[in-house]
Amino acid sequence: EPEVTQTPSHQVTQMGQEVILRCVPISNHLYFYWYRQILGQKVEFLVSFYNNEISEKSEIFDDQFSVERPDGSNFTLKIRSTKLEDSAMYFCASISVLGTYNEQFFGPGTRLTVL
Amino acid sequence: SQKIEQNSEALNIQEGKTATLTCNYTNYSPAYLQWYRQDPGRGPVFLLLIRENEKEKRKERLKVTFDTTLKQSLFHITAPQPADSATYLCALEGTSGTYKYIFGTGTRLKVLA
Repeated sequence: EPEVTQTPSHQVTQMGQEVILRCVPISNHLYFYWYRQILGQKVEFLVSFYNNEISEKSEIFDDQFSVERPDGSNFTLKIRSTKLEDSAMYFCASISVLGTYNEQFFGPGTRLTVL
Repeated sequence: SQKIEQNSEALNIQEGKTATLTCNYTNYSPAYLQWYRQDPGRGPVFLLLIRENEKEKRKERLKVTFDTTLKQSLFHITAPQPADSATYLCALEGTSGTYKYIFGTGTRLKVLA
């Protein structure tokens, strides 16, 4: 069964450093997402991406964040200068849209720890 | 502003007794609502979607209802087992047609053997 994959599973970085989180969505899906979940809190929408551009973004997704789909398979989230409060699980997700359920398929997540 | 509320307190229920979880929303008129399961340290997994013109949707031991007048969805697990212990999330499309999804805080369900 197709699945969303994410790398790395855990990333530790120093405050102020840049990090790139990587995702490979399901190949025939059209919408791609990044979500954040701070420990013990809710899943928060960051950004959606469709047709090679940002479709929607939240207030969290400020100038420190960027997304890219550099080739036909990878989807990346870059945080330019990490802050302590960026420590969270980051989930990538994708949906087909062409189906009837708009079911989001989530990856296993990347745990980002900013020291 | 738009708001989704789920009972943030954990729900402990005896194995075999039906579990009912609630999702309330305000300032939305969603075309559909989704329910997901999340295990600790894992990504959410889609369970069910119910549309505004559907009162009820079932999948195996799961049942979801959707009351657009009350702005509420109920999620039922019939004969829950310890393996059903997880956090259950409801999600709505923030603005119709945007595919931007907003999640509730989730309700942690613990099924006691």
